[in-house]
Amino acid sequence: QVQLQESGPGLVKPSETLSLTCTVSGYSISGGYYWGWIRQPPGKGLEWIGHMYPNGNTYYNPSLKSRVSISLDTSKNQFSLKLSSVTAADTAVYYCARVASGWYCDSWGQGTLVTVSS
Amino acid sequence: QSALTQSASVSGSPGQSITISCTGTSSDVGGHNYVSWYQQHPGKAPKLMIYDVSNRPSGVSNRFSGSKSGNTASLTISGLQAEDEADYYCSSYTSSSSYVFGTGTKVTV
Repeated sequence: QVQLQESGPGLVKPSETLSLTCTVSGYSISGGYYWGWIRQPPGKGLEWIGHMYPNGNTYYNPSLKSRVSISLDTSKNQFSLKLSSVTAADTAVYYCARVASGWYCDSWGQGTLVTVSS
Repeated sequence: QSALTQSASVSGSPGQSITISCTGTSSDVGGHNYVSWYQQHPGKAPKLMIYDVSNRPSGVSNRFSGSKSGNTASLTISGLQAEDEADYYCSSYTSSSSYVFGTGTKVTV
């Protein structure tokens, strides 16, 4: 049974870079799935951030593409999110997820709240 | 890219059936069969309920079913139960190799 767990700072200052890591257990991230990130601002809906395949193919939300980077560390079975130049609008619960070839998220982490504030 | 359009709320009595709609365009919902649905209870992570328009993952009740007609996808919950009260989101692959969620529907039982 695959399990995902997000980790990282809960508070980030405006203009800085948000960095989160997702640790995967029960499945190798080198397998046949994408690995991605989704966020949800407080009281609002879900927003896709992007996902990456082990071969390096990466897909990003066009509205975030200039600020976002996703990477995989197969040696640690982890993948990471970096979002630069953050503002208060980036305050959200960030979820990591396993993404199947049909572009659906079949397993999710519990989510971590990141607040952007000085 | 714009979010897919869902009705804000749907309500029903226990045992009834309800349908949630998700409207997109020919570039997303209408152009592919990569439509999925998620259930989210308050304070919890979303849970996959339907993938590829109408397929149910193992462990999801057969009371949940999905379909699509043109640019609109639908999720039907039959035999409504109290535990079905949650937010529901549709999602779709898009022709620009992107992914988009719906605006979300609050289901009240």
